[in-house]
Amino acid sequence: EVQLVQSGAEVKKPGESLKISCKGSGYTVTSYWIGWVRQMPGKGLEWMGVIYPGDSDTTYSPSFQGQVTISADKSIGTAYLQWSSLQASDTAMYYCARRVMATRLGLDYFDYWGQGTLVTVSS
Amino acid sequence: DIQMTQSPSSLSASVGDRVTITCRTSQSISSFLNWYQQKPGKAPKLLIYAASSLQSGVPSRFSGSGSGTDFTLTISSLQPEDFATYYCQQSYTTPPTFGQGTKLEIK
Repeated sequence: EVQLVQSGAEVKKPGESLKISCKGSGYTVTSYWIGWVRQMPGKGLEWMGVIYPGDSDTTYSPSFQGQVTISADKSIGTAYLQWSSLQASDTAMYYCARRVMATRLGLDYFDYWGQGTLVTVSS
Repeated sequence: DIQMTQSPSSLSASVGDRVTITCRTSQSISSFLNWYQQKPGKAPKLLIYAASSLQSGVPSRFSGSGSGTDFTLTISSLQPEDFATYYCQQSYTTPPTFGQGTKLEIK
């Protein structure tokens, strides 16, 4: 069974750093991209970026480039989303998801999702 | 970025109704269009990929159609568990973008 299990909720102060995780299982983690999606309170979904754990190739949305760092440890099948200095505006639910991508076939979608990690940034 | 316009933003319907949600893109995206369902407090769930392909395990009352710039998600006969928010997503260009969502409520 494919599963993506995310780390637990976090409460942080502005300026603090944070790294949240997403562990894949039930499939060959090094063969699928993993993406991160932000959902601010009461708002829609925003694609942040993706990483290919097999070689750590990473693509960011321009909106998030330089604001977060996406990384992976293929030895443990885990992807990470990291902030060096949190702001109140980073308060949101963050989802990881497995990306199926086959461009020549017109396929590019997230088929399995983690349960979400709620990040709250408040002084 | 490609702009996505979903309509309506919200919709009230009854169990058994046929419902259609529309997604329009600011430029042609071929069939690189996906639909997700999200229930309150839950992660999104993939329903339709590549405009019209039904994800495994998704009931056949859900269907998708369209290509180019105009797409639709149809639920043929609403069930109680279908009341949720629905998002379209284009994956033709990076970054892939989502529509603003359509909240489907019980009438």
